[in-house]
Amino acid sequence: QVTLRESGPALVAPTQTLTLTCTFSGFSLSTSRMSVSWIRQPPGKALEWLALIDWDDDKYYSTSLKTRLTISKDTSKNKVVLTMTNMDPVDTATYYCAHVTMGGHYDYWGQGTQVTVSS
Amino acid sequence: NFMLTQPHSVSESPGKTVSISCTRSSGSIGSNYVQWYQQRPGSSPTTVIYEDNKRPSGVPDRFSGSIDSSSNSASLTISGLKTEDEADYYCQSLDSNNHALFGGGTQLTVL
Repeated sequence: QVTLRESGPALVAPTQTLTLTCTFSGFSLSTSRMSVSWIRQPPGKALEWLALIDWDDDKYYSTSLKTRLTISKDTSKNKVVLTMTNMDPVDTATYYCAHVTMGGHYDYWGQGTQVTVSS
Repeated sequence: NFMLTQPHSVSESPGKTVSISCTRSSGSIGSNYVQWYQQRPGSSPTTVIYEDNKRPSGVPDRFSGSIDSSSNSASLTISGLKTEDEADYYCQSLDSNNHALFGGGTQLTVL
């Protein structure tokens, strides 16, 4: 059974760096064709894709946010970490991590973690 | 890059059939698989259709997906509407760089 859980601070000050952790079970990121992605959703708005890391440590970033994002994995601990620098109030959102199939299907999602950017 | 455009909202009566479109702005809709996700308020998205027209186990066969190359769009069709189908629906695909793109979402009201 695949499960994912996001964790991180609920409140971040403007200009600070956000660090989010996705802890997963039911699969291994050392297994071929496995990937984990981050997606966010501002209040009342649509889903926005952020980044993806695959079993081969290839990393993909949103074109508009790539200068601010870093994604990494700790295969031994079944964790994926996303950092986002220079946080702004417009980054206030629920942040999700998800397991991704080779066909680009986001088949399992975490429950999301709400992040507010405010001083 | 391309965009996926969905209607902002649709509404229909219980028992009826509704279709939600997802139009790709450039490139062929058939170039990459299209997925459809249902999101109820306060919950994470869940898949109702993947790889254009496949249903995960547990999703009723009232949900179906299709691709229309002539309109360069994908469609999610829900028949025999139930009040429990009321939710936001998002289409999703990949671009050539393995980046995911989501449509803007469609709010379905069953009234």
